[in-house]
Amino acid sequence: AQSVTQLGSHVSVSEGALVLLRCNYSSSVPPYLFWYVQYPNQGLQLLLKYTTGATLVKGINGFEAEFKKSETSFHLTKPSAHMSDAAEYFCAVSEGSYIPTFGRGTSLIVHP
Amino acid sequence: GAGVSQSPSNKVTEKGKDVELRCDPISGHTALYWYRQSLGQGLEFLIYFQGNSAPDKSGLPSDRFSAERTGGSVSTLTIQRTQQEDSAVYLCASSPPGIEETQYFGPGTRLLVL
Repeated sequence: AQSVTQLGSHVSVSEGALVLLRCNYSSSVPPYLFWYVQYPNQGLQLLLKYTTGATLVKGINGFEAEFKKSETSFHLTKPSAHMSDAAEYFCAVSEGSYIPTFGRGTSLIVHP
Repeated sequence: GAGVSQSPSNKVTEKGKDVELRCDPISGHTALYWYRQSLGQGLEFLIYFQGNSAPDKSGLPSDRFSAERTGGSVSTLTIQRTQQEDSAVYLCASSPPGIEETQYFGPGTRLLVL
């Protein structure tokens, strides 16, 4: 069975500061891992995904995430937050079945 | 190009009524998913269609929920005898052949059951 835990339902940062959103997963097979972003009143948009190969994955809008098998983690980072990054972020894991399990989401708040 | 579209964008109904929610996937996408997103919760998988295969209905919460996909394209999610706990955002997503793990989401239908 697969599961995802996102630590912190809310993360607050200042504009220009580092963004770190935490995600830990559980999977019985090598996982596929995803980060999605959801802006208000919109659907989810894929930020980045890890399937195989390089463990550091770069996505859109300057975000990246690193797959760490030993820590069962896939944390999302961005060096410098922008006001436009304020949104809900979801981590997800799938075991190749194409039906992913989503975390509960982390709301990113960016202060001026 | 056009993304996944859903209609209506908002729906208010009375307890006990039936509702139909529509999803138009991206043209050429063979996989289609329905999810439910309740306030403060993650996405709850409901049902998955892949091509002409039998759908995976394992996420449907009760027999009041059903979905169909006609002609391998448009899908309709039906909720019969709605209850207040059905109030949520219902999201549809589709995936292209060959990269089914990548989902493209529609904007959702916000359902409120009074």
